[in-house]
Amino acid sequence: AQSVTQLDSQVPVFEEAPVELRCNYSSSVSVYLFWYVQYPNQGLQLLLKYLSGSTLVESINGFEAEFNKSQTSFHLRKPSVHISDTAEYFCAVIRMDSSYKLIFGSGTRLLVRP
Amino acid sequence: ETGVTQSPTHLIKTRGQQVTLRCSSQSGHNTVSWYQQALGQGPQFIFQYYREEENGRGNFPPRFSGLQFPNYSSELNVNALELDDSALYLCASSSRQGTQYYEQYFGPGTRLTVT
Repeated sequence: AQSVTQLDSQVPVFEEAPVELRCNYSSSVSVYLFWYVQYPNQGLQLLLKYLSGSTLVESINGFEAEFNKSQTSFHLRKPSVHISDTAEYFCAVIRMDSSYKLIFGSGTRLLVRP
Repeated sequence: ETGVTQSPTHLIKTRGQQVTLRCSSQSGHNTVSWYQQALGQGPQFIFQYYREEENGRGNFPPRFSGLQFPNYSSELNVNALELDDSALYLCASSSRQGTQYYEQYFGPGTRLTVT
């Protein structure tokens, strides 16, 4: 079975400060990894994904995540956050051999303060 | 290109009642997945429909059932509603081709409250 752990339920940070949202996973089979963002009263939007290749993946709005196989982690980082980044962030995995079921962590609420 | 839409936006039901939630998939997509997101938690996979057949199911009882129609839209039906069924129900559509990875695009969700 697969599981995803997001240890931080909420991360408060000041605007323009760096941030890291932590994600660890457990799986007996190879998985793909994802970060989704959920703004208030909205559905989920894919932020970035790791399928293969370079272990560092980037999004168009400045977020990046690095796949670390030995530590089974996929932490999300941004060097300078904006007020508009305030949202709920979910880490998720999906099995490579049956790619239909996303398994999500419990989420981390990023709260950016002026 | 129209994205994934869900209806209704909000719904209030009484314990024991039945509810039907609807999802219109994105143009060109043949697969619909349903997730339940309880307050303060991550989404949990309910089931997926591919070409009108259930293709994988999460840990949900049989009173959670679904349908997929020839136009690839879908319904989620929940019978004998319980208080714990109160949640945001998310639909995601995708274009599945064989067993390769395919990206899931989420709708805005339906907020169900059971009283």
